[in-house]
This record gives sequence, C-alpha cells and structure tokens, in this order.
Amino acid sequence: NAGVTQTPKFQVLKTGQSMTLQCAQDMNHEYMSWYRQDPGMGLRLIHYSVGAGITDQGEVPNGYNVSRSTTEDFPLRLLSAAPSQTSVYFCASSYSVSGKLFFGSGTQLSVL
Amino acid sequence: DQQVKQNSPSLSVQEGRISILNCDYTNSMFDYFLWYKKYPAEGPTFLISISSIKDKNEDGRFTVFLNKSAKHLSLHIVPSQPGDSAVYFCAASGGSYNTDKLIFGTGTRLQVFP
Repeated sequence: NAGVTQTPKFQVLKTGQSMTLQCAQDMNHEYMSWYRQDPGMGLRLIHYSVGAGITDQGEVPNGYNVSRSTTEDFPLRLLSAAPSQTSVYFCASSYSVSGKLFFGSGTQLSVL
Repeated sequence: DQQVKQNSPSLSVQEGRISILNCDYTNSMFDYFLWYKKYPAEGPTFLISISSIKDKNEDGRFTVFLNKSAKHLSLHIVPSQPGDSAVYFCAASGGSYNTDKLIFGTGTRLQVFP
C-alpha cells in the first residue's frame, strides 16, 4: 500500500515556465488537497477536491490550477511559475473532508 | 488573518520530562482539532485529534487538552523521547462554513535532548 505518492521530489523552474506536480493515492479516498509550506507560514491550503469532478479553492489559490478526473489522481498545475511560488508542496488525502489527512512526502520547488 | 496560532516557534525539553505544545484559535466555529508531527524531508503524519464535545483525549504518551472558552488547545508528551524531536502542527476544522478545509498553525519545533 503506497499511500499518497508525489512526483517529482525536487524541481527547479525558470520564471514563466509551466509544470504539473503529480499526486496519486491508492486508498480510495474521496477528499484530496494541496498545501504549500513556507517558513513561518505553516501549511496553507491551495486547492482541494471532495470527489472526482469537484474542486474548490483554498486560502492561496492564485497561480495554480487543479482538476480531478479520477478518484486516484489530483495534479496541481503552475501555468506561469513565479519566484513567490518557491515552496514545499504537499498533497494529502482523507476519507472525509475534516478527517485525518494522509500526506505525501512533498515536492521541493524552486523558481528562479 | 491567522485563525490557528502557535506562538512558540521552538521548544527544547530534556528527555524524560514533559513537553507542552500550545495552540490558540480564533474561529469559534471550529469543532475538530488535530495535531500533526513532521520530520525533515517527510510529509506530516497524524498524531492525535479531539472533538469539541470533549476536553481531553489520550493516546499513549500523547494527550491533547481543549479549553473551548479560552479557544486554546495543548499537546502534552510524557515522557519526552529524542525520537519526538520534530515540528508539530495543530490544525482545526469544522462548522457549517468550514467543513471542507483544514486550517493549520505555523508549527512548533520540538527538540528533545538527552
């Protein structure tokens, strides 16, 4: 049982480039979410999904897009990377919207 | 506006003693609280939770206390062990307008020394 798998683990982008952070879970969880962790800011919610075909914005959604075509996958897209998006990104899933989250190991992203 | 606050960025405790990590919240609609533990280069892992209908929840060495009137919760670790050295995040959710989101505090780095 792999849990929540995030790829890549590390990524360096130039300003203006686009990329997709991948997230997959094999626990059949309906709820999935993306957080970013910045020093002194804790974990902030970017986008979340309560099921396939349903997504919504969190606290800091600007500059990011998501889609949820299957229960298992919840990719996060950066359309035009900016230095302010340098952060560690965590994907998480849960069997309920306010329940215990299972986190992936994170993606360290640097935007130059 | 930080709805969940951890005002102590770090805490250092001797092995075998009690560690007390604190968390304050401002939204009275929160009704479910959780603590997560995070080691470097890993994702956070769930540690313990408490519902607002309780004021205490225990799991082995870990106990969470909730004071609803003060909008305050604390995590007690007894006895502290070197393996407990990590960053601890409190989180809150709930209420009619907030059931889809888990709001995290900024974290407290706990160091347990021999």
